[in-house]
Amino acid sequence: DAKTTQPPSMDCAEGRAANLPCNHSTISGNEYVYWYRQIHSQGPQYIIHGLKNNETNEMASLIITEDRKSSTLILPHATLRDTAVYYCIVRSFTSGGSNYKLTFGKGTLLTVNP
Amino acid sequence: GAGVSQSPSNKVTEKGKDVELRCDPISGHTALYWYRQSLGQGLEFLIYFQGNSAPDKSGLPSDRFSAERTGGSVSTLTIQRTQQEDSAVYLCASIVGGLPTDTQYFGPGTRLTVL
Repeated sequence: DAKTTQPPSMDCAEGRAANLPCNHSTISGNEYVYWYRQIHSQGPQYIIHGLKNNETNEMASLIITEDRKSSTLILPHATLRDTAVYYCIVRSFTSGGSNYKLTFGKGTLLTVNP
Repeated sequence: GAGVSQSPSNKVTEKGKDVELRCDPISGHTALYWYRQSLGQGLEFLIYFQGNSAPDKSGLPSDRFSAERTGGSVSTLTIQRTQQEDSAVYLCASIVGGLPTDTQYFGPGTRLTVL
C-alpha cells in the first residue's frame, strides 16, 4: 500500500469546518483512499472512501486532487465529539484476502475546541 | 447484533498465563480480521478469516498466538504464556464480503494488560 503523510495534529473551532490534509504522492491507479477515525479508547470508525471522484456522506466529504496525489477530508461543522485521531489510508483493490488489511500510520489528532 | 462486539473489554493477567479474547462479528459478515494496537501505535494485522477458506495467519507474531472461527461467526484469539510485550488493545473487524471496497467495521477492542 502507498505511504501517506498527515500532519500530526490540528485544531479546529467548534462549528467550523475541519479540513484534514493527506499526501499520497505514490498512489497507484488501483488504490482507493480511505479515512477512518479513532476516538480515545474506542475502535476505529469508518468515515469515507473514494477512488478519484469527490465523495460525500452524512459524516464528511472527501476531496481528491485530479492527480490523486493528495486528498482532504472535510468535516463541515465540527463538534467536540469529532475530537479524534484521523487516519488516511490507501488500499489496493487488486490483491485479495488479507492484503485488504488496513495499515494505519500515526494519523492526525484533531482537537475541536469550544 | 448491530455492531461488532468484543469481550472482555479489559483483561489483566499475569505473565505466563493464557488468555482468550472473543469477537462477535456483525451478523452476515463473512470475513473477519484481528489486529492489535500498542500504545500510541498504528494497527498491526494479526490474522484474517474469509468464509470457509484457510485463515491467513501471516501476521501472528509468534506460535503463542492462535485464533479460530467457529461456524463462520464467532472468533476467539488465544495467547498462550503471555508476555509483557503482548500488552495492547486487540481489535476485531468484520466485513460483509471479501472485496477491497468492503468497509471494515471494528469492535471496541479488548485492552490486555500483562503484568
